[in-house]
Amino acid sequence: DGGITQSPKYLFRKEGQNVTLSCEQNLNHDAMYWYRQDPGQGLRLIYYSQIVNDFQKGDIAEGYSVSREKKESFPLTVTSAQKNPTAFYLCASRLAPNTGELFFGEGSRLTVL
Amino acid sequence: GNSVTQMEGPVTLSEEAFLTINCTYTATGYPSLFWYVQYPGEGLQLLLKATKADDKGSNKGFEATYRKETTSFHLEKGSVQVSDSAVYFCALAPSNAGGTSYGKLTFGQGTILTVHP
Repeated sequence: DGGITQSPKYLFRKEGQNVTLSCEQNLNHDAMYWYRQDPGQGLRLIYYSQIVNDFQKGDIAEGYSVSREKKESFPLTVTSAQKNPTAFYLCASRLAPNTGELFFGEGSRLTVL
Repeated sequence: GNSVTQMEGPVTLSEEAFLTINCTYTATGYPSLFWYVQYPGEGLQLLLKATKADDKGSNKGFEATYRKETTSFHLEKGSVQVSDSAVYFCALAPSNAGGTSYGKLTFGQGTILTVHP
């Protein structure tokens, strides 16, 4: 079955550590996105990539980094510079240029201890 | 910039009650509008969409009409079920006059719906 796979589902980190969240898709989608979800604040865009080897900052990119070396993969690194990293992180990909519809993974919950 | 405002939650209903979740937006041009649903512990799934004014999106008994004059896209269902309990997100994507969307969605804050038997 085609879809988006995020891992790990749950992750605990100590302060000062970097952590990388994985996102893989086999939908052959060109564009991929990372969103952060906090209670009562909806989803906020961290980074997005329209094509391999290219990505743009979203609304809250500070303290995060990404890479897009393969079409299928868009990993997100939460660095120690991110002041409040505890959140639910969602990866998404886009079906077609003219629909705007996003397909989402099941999310990764990061907790900083 | 673009923004989406949803009614405050949580919303608690009895089974078979009528549901309305209000959504209004601010955007330039001709945005596409979406409702996504998130079940507990899962990612978001597209529920329905509308790409131009007066379009009605519908799915699983839910429907919403794109009202450009009131910049609204309210979600409705005539008879909710316990299985409809979830978080509902209204979202928009900027589009040009030809309906081509750039896919960079702006989301509302989400509305928690709980349906009791």
